[in-house]
Amino acid sequence: DAGVIQSPRHEVTEMGQEVTLRCKPISGHDYLFWYRQTMMRGLELLIYFNNNVPIDDSGMPEDRFSAKMPNASFSTLKIQPSEPRDSAVYFCASNDYPAPTGELFFGEGSRLTVL
Amino acid sequence: AQSVAQPEDQVNVAEGNPLTVKCTYSVSGNPYLFWYVQYPNRGLQFLLKYITGDNLVKGSYGFEAEFNKSQTSFHLKKPSALVSDSALYFCAVRDYYGNNRLAFGKGNQVVVIP
Repeated sequence: DAGVIQSPRHEVTEMGQEVTLRCKPISGHDYLFWYRQTMMRGLELLIYFNNNVPIDDSGMPEDRFSAKMPNASFSTLKIQPSEPRDSAVYFCASNDYPAPTGELFFGEGSRLTVL
Repeated sequence: AQSVAQPEDQVNVAEGNPLTVKCTYSVSGNPYLFWYVQYPNRGLQFLLKYITGDNLVKGSYGFEAEFNKSQTSFHLKKPSALVSDSALYFCAVRDYYGNNRLAFGKGNQVVVIP
């Protein structure tokens, strides 16, 4: 299995630009999570989906952030407009086990730098 | 809400010595506890978990962790550290009530000195 695949691995953009991060979960996994990692705040859960439906988006910082999962094999996290404080590593993770016992499988992350 | 505390920012240990990374947790009900490791510029990798049963859990790469309910702790241990164990280690917890939110600690940097 190829694991969770994220793209791009690195993104450098200017303030005000739109950023789209992409994720392909492991085939057969029903849950998909988006996390953000920064030095100051550590790992934060932004949103998670079950069977393509957003279940909990309470971690999405503000309206500039949006996430979609149009099908079982693809999800996007969009930031529009981007700001320097959005600079972070964004991780996608998936699992196939119902809460609360299943471990997550993480992608390699997308490192975003907003200038 | 569930939470995890990892009190030390960095743990330094000589190669061959025992390694311990500390974690305490707070949940409403029974905890489900996890350890992950992150190598530089990589995603988090699952090491081990405690769900129920034996308080001593064995995981990948020779790591183990001990669940202590009275002390609300789940410390990660390895009897003999390797230089390749140098990485960032995260403790995480979920509570019993069907919440799929996994709360992570801030992480501990482990440095194994040759």
